[in-house]
Amino acid sequence: AQSVTQLGSHVSVSEGALVLLRCNYSSSVPPYLFWYVQYPNQGLQLLLKYTSAATLVKGINGFEAEFKKSETSFHLTKPSAHMSDAAEYFCAVSGTNAGKSTFGDGTTLTVKP
Amino acid sequence: DTEVTQTPKHLVMGMTNKKSLKCEQHMGHRAMYWYKQKAKKPPELMFVYSYEKLSINESVPSRFSPECPNSSLLNLHLHALQPEDSALYLCASSPTPGQGVRNSPLHFGNGTRLTVT
Repeated sequence: AQSVTQLGSHVSVSEGALVLLRCNYSSSVPPYLFWYVQYPNQGLQLLLKYTSAATLVKGINGFEAEFKKSETSFHLTKPSAHMSDAAEYFCAVSGTNAGKSTFGDGTTLTVKP
Repeated sequence: DTEVTQTPKHLVMGMTNKKSLKCEQHMGHRAMYWYKQKAKKPPELMFVYSYEKLSINESVPSRFSPECPNSSLLNLHLHALQPEDSALYLCASSPTPGQGVRNSPLHFGNGTRLTVT
């Protein structure tokens, strides 16, 4: 069984500020973890994934995430927010089938000018 | 541009209508999925097709009927829907289904925005 908790349903940052979106997971097997982004009126797009090769994972658009087993966390960060980063972000953990991925409730990121 | 194409982008239908949603991918993926997404909520899995066979049905009402004519196409037939079925319907695909290969991400289309009146 697996679950994902995203802390903070809304995060607001100023343009140029650090972005930190929190994700904690629970999994009975070694987890495969994903961050997806969803822009308005679009589907979900993969930002990055953790598959045990490296604990610090770099993704698209300057985002990265660090897997911390001891904290069961996979937080998403970006050093400097851009207006175009405003979107909904979902953390997900993979089940035995990618289609059974468990999604967190999502975090809405707002970027203020 | 997304590699999973969904049509139509928007659909309005009455409760007595019959309509279909279509999804197409040409990435050679052998797993295809239907998700339902309500506003500000995560996607909810409805169906999974693996090698063109229905492998998962998440107890979806029979007014939703999936079909996978070939490895590139996925349809969702709609009949006698209710207003609460209004949502964004997302199609997704992944390279390899099944156990042992859990690190494949999902590739989503942009969805069909469905309104039931």
